[in-house]
Amino acid sequence: GQSLEQPSEVTAVEGAIVQINCTYQTSGFYGLSWYQQHDGGAPTFLSYNGLDGLEETGRFSSFLSRSDSYGYLLLQELQMKDSASYFCAVRDKGNNRLAFGKGNQVVVIP
Amino acid sequence: DTAVSQTPKYLVTQMGNDKSIKCEQNLGHDTMYWYKQDSKKFLKIMFSYNNKELIINETVPNRFSPKSPDKAHLNLHINSLELGDSAVYFCASSQPQGSSGYTFGSGTRLTVV
Repeated sequence: GQSLEQPSEVTAVEGAIVQINCTYQTSGFYGLSWYQQHDGGAPTFLSYNGLDGLEETGRFSSFLSRSDSYGYLLLQELQMKDSASYFCAVRDKGNNRLAFGKGNQVVVIP
Repeated sequence: DTAVSQTPKYLVTQMGNDKSIKCEQNLGHDTMYWYKQDSKKFLKIMFSYNNKELIINETVPNRFSPKSPDKAHLNLHINSLELGDSAVYFCASSQPQGSSGYTFGSGTRLTVV
């Protein structure tokens, strides 16, 4: 089976850096993904890590350590539009199922 | 526009009724999913279809029945609706590769009264 742990909420000022951590447990690991969801909106895909290391996409970076079953999403130069929930998700190799963590709400204040 | 589209966006209905939610994707993806998001924002997979074939059927009451007439469509029919079914239901699609993200529809907010 799969389980993911994420802390719940963080508030930060514009321009700051926020790191959202994720630890996971799965029987058939096939990558760690991150999704962003604004209130009332749909989850949107942000990034994917299949191998250990850091992936950078603009102001957002995602890291994976498979030996620690751990990853994080780094949000840099925070903007008001980054206020959203962020979910980590683990893909299962056997059935391609994507299991989501409980999400972390980021609130950006001026 | 290439997307996953689901209808209706909002659905308010009485307990005991039967309702359907439709989903279509024009991304050419092989796999489609239904997820349920509860009031605490927890996203839980319900069903997954690959090329019209059911591959995931989570522990979901059998009042919920998915139907995939072709690989671009995955509909969800719910019988005898209960108060606890109130949630946002998201349709999504993806390719099988682990690196490809899921594309989600805009969601259907179901309220059972």
